[in-house]
Amino acid sequence: QSALTQPASVSGSPGQSITISCTGTSSDVGSYNLVSWYQQHPGKAPKLMIYEGSKRPSGVSNRFSGSKSGNTASLTISGLQAEDEADYYCCSYAGSVVFGGGTKLTVL
Amino acid sequence: QVQLQQWGAGLLKPSETLSLTCAVYGGSFSGYYWSWIRQPPGKGLEWIGEINHSGSTNYNPSLKSRVTISVDTSKNQFSLKLSSVTAADTAVYYCARVMAAAKHKVYYYYYMDVWGKGTTVTVSS
Repeated sequence: QSALTQPASVSGSPGQSITISCTGTSSDVGSYNLVSWYQQHPGKAPKLMIYEGSKRPSGVSNRFSGSKSGNTASLTISGLQAEDEADYYCCSYAGSVVFGGGTKLTVL
Repeated sequence: QVQLQQWGAGLLKPSETLSLTCAVYGGSFSGYYWSWIRQPPGKGLEWIGEINHSGSTNYNPSLKSRVTISVDTSKNQFSLKLSSVTAADTAVYYCARVMAAAKHKVYYYYYMDVWGKGTTVTVSS
């Protein structure tokens, strides 16, 4: 099972919007609602930000949104804030759990 | 509010067996899968495997030969054993609750909604 493909880094200024992509195959990302997104600050455990592709857990800001087109899922963060600076991982399932390599978000 | 508390030996020598335990507090233990994930220093997340309250397991094929995940329903705990460790097994190990729905082994959704704080395991001679 290959890892999902994410950009290594993205950046944006406060107030701007950024999008992180996650590319897989028709067996994982492209299948049903199998994509979730996690935010990880340094030294902390990952935190669920998006599940079933586009749903937000209670307590997660509506500035975070998820979508999918074909075999590529996307996480969009609008109105960037300094606290959004973190690593972001996508995750899916296709017989086994697979994560993306992670994207470091820098808020300029 | 479900909380996961994890513990285990933090320093191992090569060839030893890693052993970690995760306790579930404040919520139901049955009806879920419970997972282990690890993160080597400076690297991404790697799924190790999962278990449900009945003891049914699924493992990462790349680690399957060395991994055993077990459950103690009387204590609402599940455990990870990884044998014959090497320096490549040095990582922060997390436990997590799995939310998933499947029919005939076809999953409709799968995600990990509650995570432990992580345990740092170092393998060094």
